[in-house]
Amino acid sequence: EDQVTQSPEALRLQEGESSSLNCSYTVSGLRGLFWYRQDPGKGPEFLFTLYSAGEEKEKERLKATLTKKESFLHITAPKPEDSATYLCAVQVSENIRTYKYIFGTGTRLKVLA
Amino acid sequence: NAGVTQTPKFRVLKTGQSMTLLCAQDMNHEYMYWYRQDPGMGLRLIHYSVGEGTTAKGEVPDGYNVSRLKKQNFLLGLESAAPSQTSVYFCASSYPRTSGGPYNEQFFGPGTRLTVL
Repeated sequence: EDQVTQSPEALRLQEGESSSLNCSYTVSGLRGLFWYRQDPGKGPEFLFTLYSAGEEKEKERLKATLTKKESFLHITAPKPEDSATYLCAVQVSENIRTYKYIFGTGTRLKVLA
Repeated sequence: NAGVTQTPKFRVLKTGQSMTLLCAQDMNHEYMYWYRQDPGMGLRLIHYSVGEGTTAKGEVPDGYNVSRLKKQNFLLGLESAAPSQTSVYFCASSYPRTSGGPYNEQFFGPGTRLTVL
């Protein structure tokens, strides 16, 4: 069964304290792995897409990496405004007309000033 | 550009009542999706559409129907609401995947919080 697991469920960091969020997946055919940020009461906002093992992408204090079994979202020197829930999603496709997009349950990040 | 908008923002229904949630996007996206988000379960795909006039079932389609009569709109209907359908509903849209090309990110609306009593 295709599965996406995110850890930890919740994380509290002091401002400036770097850390990593994990997204591990077990899927039959990965077509892409996506990271989103979700603020309370809002819809998810796209951050990164990774397509193949070894790929890395960066945006400000965030860096996403991908291996054959998992992805990491590294947060360097976080600020309070980085507080949010970070969601990981994998896209699996059996054929061009079917579509499967599986979200993890997210990591709730709180950065303290 | 407004992006993806959803109507209404909040709604309370009684068991057995029906309603329609409206999603509109102004980005000329081909693909549109409806998700529900429940605590501890993440976002789950209800139905999706790969173009005007087409719809397909997602992971949790039972109890819902959808229509995509216009490219910019995607409607989600609940014919007879049940308490188990209490949730936050998100609509999203994306550009289509070109043949052999990568999948594209989704743009989400602000959500509709639905309570069924």
